[in-house]
Amino acid sequence: DIQMTQSPSSLSASVGDRVAITCRASQTISSYLNWYQQKPGKAPKLLIYATSSLLSGVPSRFSGSGFGTDFTLTISSLQPEDFATYFCQQSYSVPLTFGGGTKVAIK
Amino acid sequence: QVQLVESGGGVVQPGRSLRLSCAASGFSFSSYGMHWVRQAPGKGLEWVAVISYDGNNKYYADSVKGRFPISRDNSKNTLYLQMNGLRAEDTAVYYCAKDMGSNSNDYYGMDVWGRGTTVTVSS
Repeated sequence: DIQMTQSPSSLSASVGDRVAITCRASQTISSYLNWYQQKPGKAPKLLIYATSSLLSGVPSRFSGSGFGTDFTLTISSLQPEDFATYFCQQSYSVPLTFGGGTKVAIK
Repeated sequence: QVQLVESGGGVVQPGRSLRLSCAASGFSFSSYGMHWVRQAPGKGLEWVAVISYDGNNKYYADSVKGRFPISRDNSKNTLYLQMNGLRAEDTAVYYCAKDMGSNSNDYYGMDVWGRGTTVTVSS
């Protein structure tokens, strides 16, 4: 099984900050990497698929990059509605696997 | 609009069974793979199972393999998860989610999620 490791597990940031979350796969997954946002008590929402493609309606301050085993989700200017937990997920092979999550909190 | 609505959760004793359902609307259900994903209290997301658009391919997490068969009825636009031999560690919110890929046996992102149904396994 492919293990997905996210870092950091949590971070504190201010509105307007640039934030980067990394995700590392235990083996190559090409570009089959997706990012989700989850707020407390809510279902996850897909933000980015195939490493860097934004789902329709997702603000352009979100971006994704990477290939192979190392990936990054960047929020260029953090907004109040972005405080949430973010998960990466590989769709390269079954069993599909998620990273452990990164909680983005208000500083 | 595109919507998934889960049902069937509840409190159940260890070893018993439960069947979850997920009713889909607003899209061509028979064209998309469908997933179950769960989240234990205070924990991260765990992928549980996927079924291909036509029902011919099914894959499972090791933690549920042999206990939780996934199925679908494309005539009813409904996804199912039969949960047998439940354990305390199966306690979680269970989400159904639509895969982005259409008419494909490959899997991409999960772009539509239900609100989830809670399963609690306790004596």
